[in-house]
Amino acid sequence: NAGVTQTPKFRVLKTGQSMTLLCAQDMNHEYMYWYRQDPGMGLRLIHYSVGEGTTAKGEVPDGYNVSRLKKQNFLLGLESAAPSQTSVYFCASSLSGRNTDTQYFGPGTRLTVL
Amino acid sequence: KQEVTQIPAALSVPEGENLVLNCSFTDSAIYNLQWFRQDPGKGLTSLLLIQSSQREQTSGRLNASLDKSSGRSTLYIAASQPGDSATYLCAVSGNQFYFGTGTSLTVIP
Repeated sequence: NAGVTQTPKFRVLKTGQSMTLLCAQDMNHEYMYWYRQDPGMGLRLIHYSVGEGTTAKGEVPDGYNVSRLKKQNFLLGLESAAPSQTSVYFCASSLSGRNTDTQYFGPGTRLTVL
Repeated sequence: KQEVTQIPAALSVPEGENLVLNCSFTDSAIYNLQWFRQDPGKGLTSLLLIQSSQREQTSGRLNASLDKSSGRSTLYIAASQPGDSATYLCAVSGNQFYFGTGTSLTVIP
């Protein structure tokens, strides 16, 4: 079991460029999440998905789009990157949304927008 | 909006000491509370999950308690070791997940 993997690990973009972050999980989890982690602000939920073909907004969704075409993959897109999107991005998954379910995290993607 | 606070932000202790990390939250309508560990440059690893109906959970040298009515949780680490050095985060789940900013723990050999 690889668990939760993220691609790429590092990326540098110029303002206005676009990119897609890929998250994959091999645990057959229904729920998947995208967070960003910034110094002094903790992790904040960007978007999440409760199953294949579904997505929902989290706390800080502006400037990001997501897709969940396959159950095992959750993509995070930046259409026009801004310096404020410089951050470390984490993907996570959980079996369901039940209160007994733990979230499993990927290793993160460090994104710098110049 | 749920606010999660962790105090202290940083803590340094000698090896072998018992220690307590604190987490407080403003909205008691939660499904569960989780404690995570994060090593530098790494993702988060779940340590303990306490359901809203539970009072505490234990795993090895770790014990987490939850007082939902007062909006508080503590993580107790017994007989600390240098390998425990990491950042510890708590997170509460309600309609969404909300994380604290973490406590950076250093255990000095």
